Amino acid sequence: AQTVTQSQPEMSVQEAETVTLSCTYDTSESDYYLFWYKQPPSRQMILVIRQEAYKQQNATENRFSVNFQKAAKSFSLKISDSQLGDAAMYFCAYRPQHHDMRFGAGTRLTVKP
Amino acid sequence: GAVVSQHPSRVICKSGTSVKIECRSLDFQATTMFWYRQFPKKSLMLMATSNEGSKATYEQGVEKDKFLINHASLTLSTLTVTSAHPEDSSFYICSATDRGATGELFFGEGSRLTVL
Repeated sequence: AQTVTQSQPEMSVQEAETVTLSCTYDTSESDYYLFWYKQPPSRQMILVIRQEAYKQQNATENRFSVNFQKAAKSFSLKISDSQLGDAAMYFCAYRPQHHDMRFGAGTRLTVKP
Repeated sequence: GAVVSQHPSRVICKSGTSVKIECRSLDFQATTMFWYRQFPKKSLMLMATSNEGSKATYEQGVEKDKFLINHASLTLSTLTVTSAHPEDSSFYICSATDRGATGELFFGEGSRLTVL
């Protein structure tokens, strides 16, 4: 079975500080994609960052970066210089090639001013 | 980026009636669309996968006669909740893939269904 685990239901960070959200997954596939999506109160799913499993280099998108450990099946998200607008629900997602996407339970991030 | 539009965003209906939700890919051809359901403060649960021109594949536990999915064209998939009951009240989200190399799914805005 392919599962995605987010062990932190809630996280809090001070504005301008750094926070790391954890994610682990289970798969027997060798070729797949990993994602972090943000879901604000509007509930629109917004792609934060994407990682191809065959790439060893960790993906980065401005203040967002990942720590991808393929052997450990770990995919954490680091948010630097946190902003009030970063407050949202964050979902880690796994998708093997040409298949559906599976989501973790989510982590609710609160940013304190 | 690719845009997926979902309509209606909110719908309220009486118990026993049917409701149709549309999902359109606006600027790309979506050979595959996915329908998810999300309960309050919960994650997205895959309901079914629809491929253009063929029958949808439903996840275990999802009643195919309750949730009718039609993917008649490369840009439109519909989800019909038949004989809706209060327990069907939920947030439904569609997504589509353009089969590109990114593996990304593009999500609609979601539809909040309330069954009275």
